[in-house]
Amino acid sequence: NAGVTQTPKFQVLKTGQSMTLQCAQDMNHEYMSWYRQDPGMGLRLIHYSVGAGITDQGEVPNGYNVSRSTTEDFPLRLLSAAPSQTSVYFCASSTTGVSNQPQHFGDGTRLSIL
Amino acid sequence: GQQLNQSPQSMFIQEGEDVSMNCTSSSIFNTWLWYKQEPGEGPVLLIALYKAGELTSNGRLTAQFGITRKDSFLNISASIPSDVGIYFCAGQRIQGAQKLVFGQGTRLTINP
Repeated sequence: NAGVTQTPKFQVLKTGQSMTLQCAQDMNHEYMSWYRQDPGMGLRLIHYSVGAGITDQGEVPNGYNVSRSTTEDFPLRLLSAAPSQTSVYFCASSTTGVSNQPQHFGDGTRLSIL
Repeated sequence: GQQLNQSPQSMFIQEGEDVSMNCTSSSIFNTWLWYKQEPGEGPVLLIALYKAGELTSNGRLTAQFGITRKDSFLNISASIPSDVGIYFCAGQRIQGAQKLVFGQGTRLTINP
């Protein structure tokens, strides 16, 4: 079982370039989310989705777009990369509902913006 | 945006020692989670707590959900070298939406 798969693992961009980070899960989870991790700040929620066709903003959404056309995939788009978006990005998924099932994380994408 | 206050930020201990770390918040959470992260990997869930006062163990790990629902602690007994990593607490407030708020992490280093 692959779990949550993120691609690429590493990427270097120039300021102003666009980029899509891919996230796929094979657990039929309704809930998917994107976080960024910066030194000394833990993980911060960028965008999330509670199901196909439904997305919403998290704590730090500016500069990022998402879409959820299928249950399996939740890509994160940077339309015009900025140095402040240099970070490690994690995708997570879980089931939804009363039981509040914990989120499973991918291995991350390390992104550097020059 | 809100983050949980996690302490200590780092710990340097001898193998075999017990470890204790905690998280506090000014607001209430419905669920507390503890994750461990190793270099180059995503956070891996260690323990999930769903009820105030709940005390849960996972091997040498024990975590508690504070009675006030504003804090949680994680204890590791008899530490071993593979316990090295960064430990994160996370709180979840909204049922269904499952948005997590993370602590800043505790970096654990163990001297053999």
